[in-house]
Amino acid sequence: GEDVEQSLFLSVREGDSSVINCTYTDSSSTYLYWYKQEPGAGLQLLTYIFSNMDMKQDQRLTVLLNKKDKHLSLRIADTQTGDSAIYFCAVPNSNSGYALNFGKGTSLLVTP
Amino acid sequence: DAGVIQSPRHEVTEMGQEVTLRCKPISGHDYLFWYRQTMMRGLELLIYFNNNVPIDDSGMPEDRFSAKMPNASFSTLKIQPSEPRDSAVYFCASSGQPGVKFFGSGTQLSVL
Repeated sequence: GEDVEQSLFLSVREGDSSVINCTYTDSSSTYLYWYKQEPGAGLQLLTYIFSNMDMKQDQRLTVLLNKKDKHLSLRIADTQTGDSAIYFCAVPNSNSGYALNFGKGTSLLVTP
Repeated sequence: DAGVIQSPRHEVTEMGQEVTLRCKPISGHDYLFWYRQTMMRGLELLIYFNNNVPIDDSGMPEDRFSAKMPNASFSTLKIQPSEPRDSAVYFCASSGQPGVKFFGSGTQLSVL
């Protein structure tokens, strides 16, 4: 199966930018996704990028995709304490695009 | 729509007991997924259904686990007999298009 790797922890100060990185192994993915999980809740789709794009911006979120290096990143501008959560990178399972393989998640802690 | 509804939110049981987790997907979604989340292994896909038919159950740990979807609005995940290593958060998710999943709030299972 596909490997999706993320760093486990990131701590930033309120107002700074956060960058969460992800690497994956399967290069046939058409869409790549970022999900967010708040404490005690399920995962929520945050944003996604089509594989023929190298950047997508959505308000404070910027997704960068480097297909050659199989590297995906999520940048959160002006990070707020409410952004503290676990962020998951996800790529479609090569056997079925409807099933996703998730990384282990990056815990983002935003300090005042 | 109320979103994906899972019950119970918390389940505490003793080793050897049968456990049944329930899920109601979002109306109109024809894909349903069961995931398990642990600190050590992250988010693992257990099984998924399309139009109530199991498509891929390769993630089901062993024969003690079984899942059913008798109709489009209901699915169960059963563990019999349960073991302490089954303790985890179990998520149900539904989808009407690839990658865009809507997750329930999860069932926190503790097997003593």
